[in-house]
Amino acid sequence: SQQGEEDPQALSIQEGENATMNCSYKTSINNLQWYRQNSGRGLVHLILIRSNEREKHSGRLRVTLDTSKKSSSLLITASRAADTASYFCATDAMGKLTFGTGTQLKVEL
Amino acid sequence: DAGVIQSPRHEVTEMGQEVTLRCKPISGHDYLFWYRQTMMRGLELLIYFNNNVPIDDSGMPEDRFSAKMPNASFSTLKIQPSEPRDSAVYFCASSLARGGGHSEQFFGPGTRLTVL
Repeated sequence: SQQGEEDPQALSIQEGENATMNCSYKTSINNLQWYRQNSGRGLVHLILIRSNEREKHSGRLRVTLDTSKKSSSLLITASRAADTASYFCATDAMGKLTFGTGTQLKVEL
Repeated sequence: DAGVIQSPRHEVTEMGQEVTLRCKPISGHDYLFWYRQTMMRGLELLIYFNNNVPIDDSGMPEDRFSAKMPNASFSTLKIQPSEPRDSAVYFCASSLARGGGHSEQFFGPGTRLTVL
């Protein structure tokens, strides 16, 4: 089964709104990473948060990690149409990076 | 830097044929990964190399799949014989070793394989 499960599977918002995606996982991790995938393209790394970190920011992105609940969230503030993509969490555990099922985000004008 | 380069970008072949996918990682990266992405199974790690040595091939689905990394700048994923269920997008990614686990991975554009 998947190490990481994203929630929701799909999200549709208006431009300017915030988008929140969640990721739950099952085992202890070294770090957790978030990636974006535009349709027909390869994945692009967004942010990495280590197991001893609780929150990290990068531009309009904010990631939190709660190792006690084995969960992470990705917040995109002031969303833009260009943020439309699939977002994946990936957990570094047991010697490899395992990707979740992804959240499809659609930002409408 | 040109990023991770994969070829071909698209491949259409008939069942039973041999398929070879190619990857050139980012210069200086010491990890190379092969993934397969389908709607049904999502993104699956097939195999990864560290300094050209295969470390974990537990994701390789069957003996029909094989991967090699003869040098630091080139890797191949071969499917022989190919089957329709192998149809997917195959991604290559590379990364640089850092302390504390796997670091960010840089993905290529993928090879879309269709087996008829």
